[in-house]
Amino acid sequence: DADVTQTPRNRITKTGKRIMLECSQTKGHDRMYWYRQDPGLGLRLIYYSFDVKDINKGEISDGYSVSRQAQAKFSLSLESAIPNQTALYFCATSDSLGQGAYGYTFGSGTRLTVV
Amino acid sequence: GDSVTQMEGPVTLSEEAFLTINCTYTATGYPSLFWYVQYPGEGLQLLLKATKADDKGSNKGFEATYRKETTSFHLEKGSVQVSDSAVYFCALSDQTGGSYIPTFGRGTSLIVHP
Repeated sequence: DADVTQTPRNRITKTGKRIMLECSQTKGHDRMYWYRQDPGLGLRLIYYSFDVKDINKGEISDGYSVSRQAQAKFSLSLESAIPNQTALYFCATSDSLGQGAYGYTFGSGTRLTVV
Repeated sequence: GDSVTQMEGPVTLSEEAFLTINCTYTATGYPSLFWYVQYPGEGLQLLLKATKADDKGSNKGFEATYRKETTSFHLEKGSVQVSDSAVYFCALSDQTGGSYIPTFGRGTSLIVHP
């Protein structure tokens, strides 16, 4: 099994629908993150969480919400999907002990298309 | 704030050619520096890292040296293979605000022809 698992891998949804992307990890890491990737723009941080009771907005949080259900689970919701949220979404984890020096572990991504 | 600038791609090379992908950064503290690789259809994987000045990170024939004086962390490989075709991201992790949230470059696509 992958260290960081994202579901679904691909999703097509209609404008205005609510959709949830899920992420689970077996790394035992405290920190979890959601990014979106768009061609030519690299990775942009949506939300991050340093533990179950800690949720923080990233640079592009508008239109998104998150839930940290357990140390191992971090879900991303689009409350009312719009076409410009079409992107590749990545979940990532990191170890707080290394304070970022050990790098991130990424999931394989969810390709979301909003029509 | 922190930022990472990578050379724009795509970089197109023939197999066995020498590779350099430039990366420069700005940071308020003393960051750790990373290169990640993204193969088609996959997530990013950590390729190599360096945590202090003059450190050299290396993995799979790739290497990069943390140059504080030039604020650079250029990725090099002496002889690329078709299987190295991927997108490469430079990133830094800084202690600004105590969060150590990484900042990523925009990525550089590498295409290696047989």
